[in-house]
Amino acid sequence: TQLLEQSPQFLSIQEGENLTVYCNSSSVFSSLQWYRQEPGEGPVLLVTVVTGGEVKKLKRLTFQFGDARKDSSLHITAAQPGDTGLYLCAGAEGANNLFFGTGTRLTVIP
Amino acid sequence: NAGVTQTPKFQVLKTGQSMTLQCAQDMNHNSMYWYRQDPGMGLRLIYYSASEGTTDKGEVPNGYNVSRLNKREFSLRLESAAPSQTSVYFCASRTSTGASYEQYFGPGTRLTVT
Repeated sequence: TQLLEQSPQFLSIQEGENLTVYCNSSSVFSSLQWYRQEPGEGPVLLVTVVTGGEVKKLKRLTFQFGDARKDSSLHITAAQPGDTGLYLCAGAEGANNLFFGTGTRLTVIP
Repeated sequence: NAGVTQTPKFQVLKTGQSMTLQCAQDMNHNSMYWYRQDPGMGLRLIYYSASEGTTDKGEVPNGYNVSRLNKREFSLRLESAAPSQTSVYFCASRTSTGASYEQYFGPGTRLTVT
C-alpha cells in the first residue's frame, strides 16, 4: 500500500485569503494528480503533473510536483466560495494503480 | 454523452444479503475501476479491468467480485454483505491511449449494511 498523506485535513478560510495544501509520500510516483470532489459526486480531475519540479497553473490554482516526484502542493490564490470542496491528491504507479491521499476538506467563507 | 453512470445511487442491505452494483461508460474507454471511499481513508481500489475480458485485484478485493460484461459495463458484486462494507462506491474509467492517467468517475453508490 502506498501512503499519501495530505495536510491539513480540514481548512476553513475567509474569501480572498491564500492557502496551500500539501501531499507527501515516501514513494516515487510516475505522475501525480489532483482531484476536487463535491458532496454527492465523484472526484473530478484538476491537473496531472509528471516531471519532477513541474509547476502547472490553472487560473488561481498553482500545482507543483516535488523534484523527487514524492510530494506535491496545491496553492490557491484569493480563494472564493466556489473553491469549497474536498481536494484529493493521487499518485500513479504504473498504468492502473492510482493511490489516493486522505483528502483536504476546504471551506471558503464568504 | 453521459460519461460514467452508476446504479443504484443508494442501497441498504442486511448482513448476509447480496447485491450487484452496476457501472457503465460511454466514452469508449478500455480501463475501468471500482473504488470504495471511507471517511479519513481516501479512495481505495477494489478491482480494475484493464481491457474487456480481463480483471485484476486492487488494494482491497476481499468480499467482492467483478465482471467486465463488455467494453461499456463493469459490475461489482457483494456475495454476502458485511457491515464493514458500508461505504461509498465509485466506478471510474480511463482511456489507455497516450500517457494520460486521468480517470473519470461516476456519481457513486452509497451502501449501508446493517
